[in-house]
Amino acid sequence: KAGVTQTPRYLIKTRGQQVTLSCSPISGHRSVSWYQQTPGQGLQFLFEYFSETQRNKGNFPGRFSGRQFSNSRSEMNVSTLELGDSALYLCASSFSAGGPGETQYFGPGTRLLVL
Amino acid sequence: GENVEQHPSTLSVQEGDSAVIKCTYSDSASNYFPWYKQELGKGPQLIIDIRSNVGEKKDQRIAVTLNKTAKHFSLHITETQPEDSAVYFCAASFRGGQFYFGTGTSLTVIP
Repeated sequence: KAGVTQTPRYLIKTRGQQVTLSCSPISGHRSVSWYQQTPGQGLQFLFEYFSETQRNKGNFPGRFSGRQFSNSRSEMNVSTLELGDSALYLCASSFSAGGPGETQYFGPGTRLLVL
Repeated sequence: GENVEQHPSTLSVQEGDSAVIKCTYSDSASNYFPWYKQELGKGPQLIIDIRSNVGEKKDQRIAVTLNKTAKHFSLHITETQPEDSAVYFCAASFRGGQFYFGTGTSLTVIP
């Protein structure tokens, strides 16, 4: 079974631009979560989508948004990029019927550099 | 919300020795505790997990213990090998899809 895939793997943008990242979950998985990883803040939860609906949301500004398609693929968008948005963005998928204890499997991440 | 603390932030051990990483959590509702290993340039990979109805779980050289009363859990790696060198993260979750991570432990195994 193929793992979680993320595209692109690397991205360079300038301040003020916007960016869209894509994630394809493991086949059969319906939940996709997004995390931001930085050296200073570690792994921080952005949001989770399940069946095309945002189910959970972390404490990030409205510039960060996402969506999920009917095939469970997900995209996240960051508008008006700031230097502090430079990070590794990780996507994780799980089967997730919504109960506790669902194992998440991570993709390789998209490394975003904002200049 | 949940807060997960992880110690130590860096750990160096001689090959063949044991390594222990400890995490504490704040929300007693958390009931699932995975451990991830992240190598350079890769996403975190699940190495072992434990649920709140279990006190200990072992998988070859890796074991995890959970103390629900004290709200802490630990990762134990025995007979460490150079390929164990990586950053390890603990996490806690009380509902699917949202995990709270520790700040990571950079483990170096010295040959």
